[in-house]
Amino acid sequence: EDQVTQSPEALRLQEGESSSLNCSYTVSGLRGLFWYRQDPGKGPEFLFTLYSAGEEKEKERLKATLTKKESFLHITAPKPEDSATYLCAEGSSASKIIFGSGTRLSIRP
Amino acid sequence: NAGVTQTPKFRVLKTGQSMTLLCAQDMNHEYMYWYRQDPGMGLRLIHYSVGEGTTAKGEVPDGYNVSRLKKQNFLLGLESAAPSQTSVYFCASSYWSTGTYNSPLHFGNGTRLTVT
Repeated sequence: EDQVTQSPEALRLQEGESSSLNCSYTVSGLRGLFWYRQDPGKGPEFLFTLYSAGEEKEKERLKATLTKKESFLHITAPKPEDSATYLCAEGSSASKIIFGSGTRLSIRP
Repeated sequence: NAGVTQTPKFRVLKTGQSMTLLCAQDMNHEYMYWYRQDPGMGLRLIHYSVGEGTTAKGEVPDGYNVSRLKKQNFLLGLESAAPSQTSVYFCASSYWSTGTYNSPLHFGNGTRLTVT
């Protein structure tokens, strides 16, 4: 069964302290690896799609990378407003996207 | 554009009552989805639709029914609510997928349902 595992479950950083979030996926024919940001009381907000190993995408302080079995979300010099839950998801068939449980990121000023 | 709109935002039901959650999208997306989100379990797919008049079961379909009579609307029904259906329900939509790749989902802001 296709599965998405995210680590760590929670991460607390000091403002300016860079780090990475991990997403492992099992599907053999990846149809897209998606990253979302979710704020409390809101729906997930789309950040990036990666389709092939070696691909990278950047947006402000965030950079997403993809290997054959993992994706990383790198956060450079984070600010308190980057605090949120970050969700990873894999496209496992033409109509199904499977989500991980998320990483709760907290940035202290 | 409003994107994906869900109504109601909050609802409390008693065990055995029924209700319908409404989802509307104005992006002309083909695919629509219903997920539930529970602490520690992530988003789990309930039902989905790949076009007007079509529906299919997801990972956790028991106790729910859906209908897609119009392309822009996707309804989720609970016929006899149970406490185990207490959750946050998210609707999402996307463009059609190609033969190789999926399109990203766009989500509404959820309906928080409590069943007592």
